Amino acid sequence: DAEITQSPRHKITETGRQVTLACHQTWNHNNMFWYRQDLGHGLRLIHYSYGVQDTNKGEVSDGYSVSRSNTEDLPLTLESAASSQTSVYFCASSEGGVGQYFGPGTRLTVL
Amino acid sequence: GENVEQHPSTLSVQEGDSAVIKCTYSDSASNYFPWYKQELGKGSQLIIDIRSNVGEKKDQRIAVTLNKTAKHFSLHITETQPEDSAVYFCAASKGKTSYDKVIFGPGTSLSVIP
Repeated sequence: DAEITQSPRHKITETGRQVTLACHQTWNHNNMFWYRQDLGHGLRLIHYSYGVQDTNKGEVSDGYSVSRSNTEDLPLTLESAASSQTSVYFCASSEGGVGQYFGPGTRLTVL
Repeated sequence: GENVEQHPSTLSVQEGDSAVIKCTYSDSASNYFPWYKQELGKGSQLIIDIRSNVGEKKDQRIAVTLNKTAKHFSLHITETQPEDSAVYFCAASKGKTSYDKVIFGPGTSLSVIP
């Protein structure tokens, strides 16, 4: 069955370190998204991509970057992790006209 | 930009009763409104959606209503069961070429008491 996976599921890192969160989907969806979820804020869009080599900034993109070298993967990189980036991160994918499929989430703690 | 508000933030109901979650959106150009259910430790799952050309949609125990004039939409769950306990997110979208870029509400934590 097609699915969307994230790794790692849990990550603890230190301030200033570079961290990359992986997202992999097997639906062959063109559209992929990264969100962070914080108490009281719901899901906020970090970056999104509508296809290979396409990336766009969301509402909370500062301190994050993504790259899309193939259809299946959209890794999220924190260039220099900050404590404010402690959150739960969700990746999602979709094809036009329907809702998004979400991954299980990655809980990131920045100490 | 688009803003989505959601109420209540927490909701407790007795098993078998109905639950209603309400959302409002700010951008009248929004045309797609999905609802997601998030269970503990899992990603969000689309449970129902509605487009702006429809006023109501129902799927078994779940229904969604949309009032475009008032810019609000609601999720109705009837005959609630303990497995309905989860966090529910509403969302609104006005994608240019698709309905994919969505703005989420802050979520409602629903507890169904057996």
